[in-house]
Amino acid sequence: EVQLVESGGGLVQPGGSLRLSCAASGFTFSSYWMSWVRQAPGKGLEWVANIKQDGSEKYYVDSVKGRFTISRDNAKNSLYLQMNSLRAEDTAVYYCARDTWLVRFDYWGQGTLVTVSS
Amino acid sequence: DIQMTQSPSTLSASVGDRVTITCRASQSISSWLAWYQQKPGKAPKLLIYKASSLESGVPSRFSGSGSGTEFTLTISSLQPDDFATYYCQQYNSYSFTFGPGTKVDIK
Repeated sequence: EVQLVESGGGLVQPGGSLRLSCAASGFTFSSYWMSWVRQAPGKGLEWVANIKQDGSEKYYVDSVKGRFTISRDNAKNSLYLQMNSLRAEDTAVYYCARDTWLVRFDYWGQGTLVTVSS
Repeated sequence: DIQMTQSPSTLSASVGDRVTITCRASQSISSWLAWYQQKPGKAPKLLIYKASSLESGVPSRFSGSGSGTEFTLTISSLQPDDFATYYCQQYNSYSFTFGPGTKVDIK
């Protein structure tokens, strides 16, 4: 059974940093692209970033470029999102998702809430 | 970036109704469109990919159609478990934009 479990969310002040993790199981993690998708409270979905199987390609939505870094550790079956210079508008539930070119996001984690507030 | 719109934003329907949701892209995305269902407090669930392919395990009352810039999601006979918010998403190009969502509630 495919499982994705996010962790690392919490309350952080504007300008602060946070690192999210996503632990994957039930599939060959190293064979898939992976993505982060976020959802602000009461709002719609926004794709944030994705990373190729070997980490050699990474893409970001414009609003997080230069502030967020996606990475992965295939030996640990884990995906990460390092978030720096956080802003109030980054407040959201962050989901990790398995990412395939044919179907896009076929499995999602339960999400972790990031709140940026003073 | 490609912009996605959905209509209606809210839809009130009864169990057994046929429901259709429309999604439009600001430019052609071929058939690179997915539909997701989301219930409150839960992660989205993939229903349809490549515009009309049904994800494994999804009931056959869900169907998708369209190509280019106009797409539809149809629920042939609405069931109690289907009251939720539905999002379309283009994956023809970055940044894989989602539509604003259509909430299906009880009439």
